[in-house]
Amino acid sequence: GAGVSQSPSNKVTEKGKDVELRCDPISGHTALYWYRQSLGQGLEFLIYFQGNSAPDKSGLPSDRFSAERTGGSVSTLTIQRTQQEDSAVYLCASSPRDRGANVLTFGAGSRLTVL
Amino acid sequence: DQQVKQNSPSLSVQEGRISILNCDYTNSMFDYFLWYKKYPAEGPTFLISISSIKDKNEDGRFTVFLNKSAKHLSLHIVPSQPGDSAVYFCAAFTYNFNKFYFGSGTKLNVKP
Repeated sequence: GAGVSQSPSNKVTEKGKDVELRCDPISGHTALYWYRQSLGQGLEFLIYFQGNSAPDKSGLPSDRFSAERTGGSVSTLTIQRTQQEDSAVYLCASSPRDRGANVLTFGAGSRLTVL
Repeated sequence: DQQVKQNSPSLSVQEGRISILNCDYTNSMFDYFLWYKKYPAEGPTFLISISSIKDKNEDGRFTVFLNKSAKHLSLHIVPSQPGDSAVYFCAAFTYNFNKFYFGSGTKLNVKP
């Protein structure tokens, strides 16, 4: 696609429910990143994919968070048993992973509100 | 462990004047530095970058300066326009870990 696409754009859920957030990166971009931005905070790294593997998942806050990527393309971030502190904008970004072209292109984000 | 810091949460300047946004980092091994601009309800968009081997990069009204000895970079916007009002994030990239480290952002308000 022309840009990074994320869905849903907004999600309101009840505490304890599971949610899935989807990211469709730019075609051909091998690197994919998930970040989140809580209210008034900066961008917090969650996980990085190179192809389908995740060499760095050090930013995932707890074992309630997981992510996968299939076909070197679409990625899904899953949050189980959501808590109110999970409320944030979840941003996905992709990069071609070529030396000299290390610019992240972000999606518009998925705003998650946990009641 | 905040490797990239933006110590000014907000900045207000008059239209036509210079805006200077600052960023400090702790790791001398970063390979690239980038600035992103973010409007409300949108994802950050890439603005300008600089390689660690350079000390200045200019693109139109935007110039990024890198001072490696001080581990400091700055973004200059001249002249500032009301449409520049946004949150600006500084980021640093390392090839070793393929990781981007972001600062907490500076909200710029350009007054007409």
